[in-house]
Formats: sequence, structure tokens, C-alpha cells
Amino acid sequence: KAGVTQTPRYLIKTRGQQVTLSCSPISGHRSVSWYQQTPGQGLQFLFEYFSETQRNKGNFPGRFSGRQFSNSRSEMNVSTLELGDSALYLCASSIGVAQRDEQFFGPGTRLTVL
Amino acid sequence: AQSVTQLGSHVSVSEGALVLLRCNYSSSVPPYLFWYVQYPNQGLQLLLKYTSAATLVKGINGFEAEFKKSETSFHLTKPSAHMSDAAEYFCALLGSNYKLTFGKGTLLTVNP
Repeated sequence: KAGVTQTPRYLIKTRGQQVTLSCSPISGHRSVSWYQQTPGQGLQFLFEYFSETQRNKGNFPGRFSGRQFSNSRSEMNVSTLELGDSALYLCASSIGVAQRDEQFFGPGTRLTVL
Repeated sequence: AQSVTQLGSHVSVSEGALVLLRCNYSSSVPPYLFWYVQYPNQGLQLLLKYTSAATLVKGINGFEAEFKKSETSFHLTKPSAHMSDAAEYFCALLGSNYKLTFGKGTLLTVNP
């Protein structure tokens, strides 16, 4: 069974631009969660989607948004990029039915904002 | 509220020595606890998990962890370190809201 895939793996953007990251979950998984990893703040939860609905959200500004499609693939969008948005963005998928199903992580997308 | 504290941002051991990475947690509900490992420029790989069954949990690559409710701890151990164990390790808590809360991570260095 294929694992969680994320595209692209690397991105370079400039301040003020917007960016879209993509995540394809493991087949059969209906929940997708997004995390931001930075050296200063560590791993922080962005949001979680299940069956195309956002079920939970972290403490990030509205510039960070996401969505999930009917095939469970998810995208996250960051608008008006800031230097501080440079990070590794990780996506995790789970079956999602029980509140505490195990999450499986993708390799991440490394975003650099210049 | 839930939180995870990893004691020691950097641990250095000699090859063949005991590895001990410390994790303490705070949770208002019975916790599900995980240890993940991250190699450079990669995602997170699950080492082991505690989900309220046996308190001593065995994982991959010879790692194990013991859940101690009285101490609110979930320390990770390995009897004999190998060079390939050098990586960053994260302890994480899964609460009742589908959200993983991570510790700050511990960078493990293994010296030959």
C-alpha cells in the first residue's frame, strides 16, 4: 500500500506571494491533518479534515487555509507569504473514524520564503 | 489542555551505550502516546505507540518505552545505540480532538 505523498517536495517563494501544497493520503484513509515544523516553534498543528469538512483547527492566522476533496486528497494554501512561513509542512493521514486513530506522515514540503 | 515536555534537546551517547530519551506529558483524558523519529529532510516515522494496553511498549529498531501514569512519563529506551539511530526523536500525545501535540524534540547523536 502506498504511503502518504506530498507535492511538491521543495518550494521557493517570495514575500507576498501565495502557495498551494498538496497531500494524497493512504488509500482508504479519510482524515488528513497538516502540521508546520520550524526550528523555533517545533511541530504545530494547523488543521484536520475529514470527509471534506474541517474538524479541528490550530492557532494559525487566516492566511492559512485548507480543503479536502471527495477522494480525500487535501490541499493547504498560504496567502500573503511572510518570511516566518518558511518551514517544513507535514501532512498526516489516518482512517479518521475514531478520534485517536494512528496518523501516518508524508515526507513533507519544504517551503522557503525569500 | 494537553502538553508534552521532552527533557534534553540534545542527547549524546557512545555506540553500544544505553539510549534514554525522556518524555513527560499532561493530559485531561487518558493519553495515547507516540514516539516518532525523523531523519534529515524526511517526514516522521512511528517508532512505537501506547494506547492504554500494555504499559511496556516495544517498537521498531529495538526501541521500547514504558508508560508510567504516576509519573506522567513515557520515556524511550534502547539498550545499545547504533550509529544509524542518530536522528531527532519526538514524543507526541493524541488527545480527544484528532490533534497530535508534540514535544520540542530530542536530537540524538551517536559517537563511534
